Amino acid sequence: DTGVSQNPRHKITKRGQNVTFRCDPISEHNRLYWYRQTLGQGPEFLTYFQNEAQLEKSRLLSDRFSAERPKGSFSTLEIQRTEQGDSAMYLCASSLADRASGNTIYFGEGSWLTVV
Amino acid sequence: SQQGEEDPQALSIQEGENATMNCSYKTSINNLQWYRQNSGRGLVHLILIRSNEREKHSGRLRVTLDTSKKSSSLLITASRAADTASYFCATDATDSGYSTLTFGKGTMLLVSP
Repeated sequence: DTGVSQNPRHKITKRGQNVTFRCDPISEHNRLYWYRQTLGQGPEFLTYFQNEAQLEKSRLLSDRFSAERPKGSFSTLEIQRTEQGDSAMYLCASSLADRASGNTIYFGEGSWLTVV
Repeated sequence: SQQGEEDPQALSIQEGENATMNCSYKTSINNLQWYRQNSGRGLVHLILIRSNEREKHSGRLRVTLDTSKKSSSLLITASRAADTASYFCATDATDSGYSTLTFGKGTMLLVSP
């Protein structure tokens, strides 16, 4: 097990294009999270899944953002009609929420998005 | 919105010195966690302290939690140049309606050789 894997690590796209990021969580983890981080700020929560159910999506930044987790395994985060303000690092994380772990969240290395 | 506020925003020390970072938060929590982030990389989990714990140690790290003051501190003893990174506190809140972590803006630590 190599931890949470994200790809691509870097993406440069033109404004108006759609982008999709993929996240493969730690295999036994039932929860998967997406965060966004801009320079000088801490990670900002976007959405999370418990298995295949998306339990919270109200923090997604606009209706241009959507996430899926088919079959409760990997997840994708799609941004449609990208804007320059979408430039940020998108972090995926996973956890095994139980009493022993206390919901320790493990992060991937992030996917950098630059919209030009 | 960001629940935790780290203090100071930046800290510069010499190798061998201790580094102390503080975190304040606003709502009741299940636990509080500290993470480290090297520039441009993902976050690495350091330590979790539950709401019924007051102090916890892990190697050169010591974390305290004061739920009456809604504050926590992270102490790194005998710092090394490799400790240079940003450090974030994150709260797992009881009243968020869902269980996730809310992060502060972080403390940027620079340890000079």
